[in-house]
Amino acid sequence: RKEVEQDPGPFNVPEGATVAFNCTYSNSASQSFFWYRQDCRKEPKLLMSVYSSGNEDGRFTAQLNRASQYISLLIRDSKLSDSATYLCVVTGPGSASKIIFGSGTRLSIRP
Amino acid sequence: GAVVSQHPSRVICKSGTSVKIECRSLDFQATTMFWYRQFPKQSLMLMATSNEGSKATYEQGVEKDKFLINHASLTLSTLTVTSAHPEDSSFYICSARDLLPGLAGFQETQYFGPGTRLLVL
Repeated sequence: RKEVEQDPGPFNVPEGATVAFNCTYSNSASQSFFWYRQDCRKEPKLLMSVYSSGNEDGRFTAQLNRASQYISLLIRDSKLSDSATYLCVVTGPGSASKIIFGSGTRLSIRP
Repeated sequence: GAVVSQHPSRVICKSGTSVKIECRSLDFQATTMFWYRQFPKQSLMLMATSNEGSKATYEQGVEKDKFLINHASLTLSTLTVTSAHPEDSSFYICSARDLLPGLAGFQETQYFGPGTRLLVL
């Protein structure tokens, strides 16, 4: 089993739709969780951190479920510019911990 | 936010030559940097962890003698692809770890360099 698993997609949704991604992780001691966004032929960019209490940033909401070991990302009112690959990232525990990337979920927003 | 730069952004070289890629943290000190490789339509694969002042830690399957890493200062790590071959052609990305204030104290996060596209002919 992979340490971090994501549905690769692609998700193809119309503009304005709500779309949700899930990501599962295998190490129950994992400490930090993030969603990154990667555009084609570009480096990943931090989208948001994921806290146990959940967090929201505009149209984006991230949730963490430690009991079930998954994190989620919800995008509301999707825009064409949201088209990208979304990477789930898990780290920890410990300051020297590895960063584990999911394989990414491709999202394509159509007009 | 924190900025990480990479140089060069793109390099084309002949088979057998060595290529050096630099990764710099511009506004913070990074005791730990990471080197990744990404082939087309694939995920980032961690190659090695670069530790300032000590030897790098390589992932399984990554040849340390082929991918030389030097982390001589808190803001600079270099990756040298020695005797590059066409199969080494890839997108190489570095990242540096920083600490950000979060809801429960400081939380580490990664900032990525813009990447270096290597094409070996």
